[in-house]
Amino acid sequence: DAGVTQSPTHLIKTRGQHVTLRCSPISGHKSVSWYQQVLGQGPQFIFQYYEKEERGRGNFPDRFSARQFPNYSSELNVNALLLGDSALYLCASSLVGVNGYTFGSGTRLTVV
Amino acid sequence: SQQGEEDPQALSIQEGENATMNCSYKTSINNLQWYRQNSGRGLVHLILIRSNEREKHSGRLRVTLDTSKKSSSLLITASRAADTASYFCARKTQGGSEKLVFGKGTKLTVNP
Repeated sequence: DAGVTQSPTHLIKTRGQHVTLRCSPISGHKSVSWYQQVLGQGPQFIFQYYEKEERGRGNFPDRFSARQFPNYSSELNVNALLLGDSALYLCASSLVGVNGYTFGSGTRLTVV
Repeated sequence: SQQGEEDPQALSIQEGENATMNCSYKTSINNLQWYRQNSGRGLVHLILIRSNEREKHSGRLRVTLDTSKKSSSLLITASRAADTASYFCARKTQGGSEKLVFGKGTKLTVNP
């Protein structure tokens, strides 16, 4: 059974550009969450989606948006990139209310 | 901002020794989870302890939870070089969201 897959694995963008990150959850997992991890820090919660609806949002600006598709995969979009958006972006899927979360290997975003 | 802290921030031990990492938090929790992260890649779920549990074991891992002190500890017994990683505690707060709140982590180095 495939784990959580994220694409791309690495990405370099210029300030002001837009980026789309993608995540496919474990088969059967309907909840997908996104986290941002800056170097040397723990992950910070950005969004959670369940059954295509936003269930939680972290303290991030409106430049960050996400959506979940009927097959439960998800996209994270970031507009008007800033240098400070450089980070590892992690996607996690879960069976709601059951156990822990399964994380993907992340997308390393570098903004130059 | 991140709530709570892991302690110590860094820990270096010899193979075969035990490693203890502590986690403190500030708000009520539904459960507390420990994750491992190798070299800035994806997080691996290690163990989940619910707020009404006091201790849990999984192989060489032992987790305790003291809700009166709002603290948890992770003990890795008979450590191996392969245990070298960053370890994070994550709190799932009460409420409908699946949001996890992570600390800054403990960087563990096990020397062969």
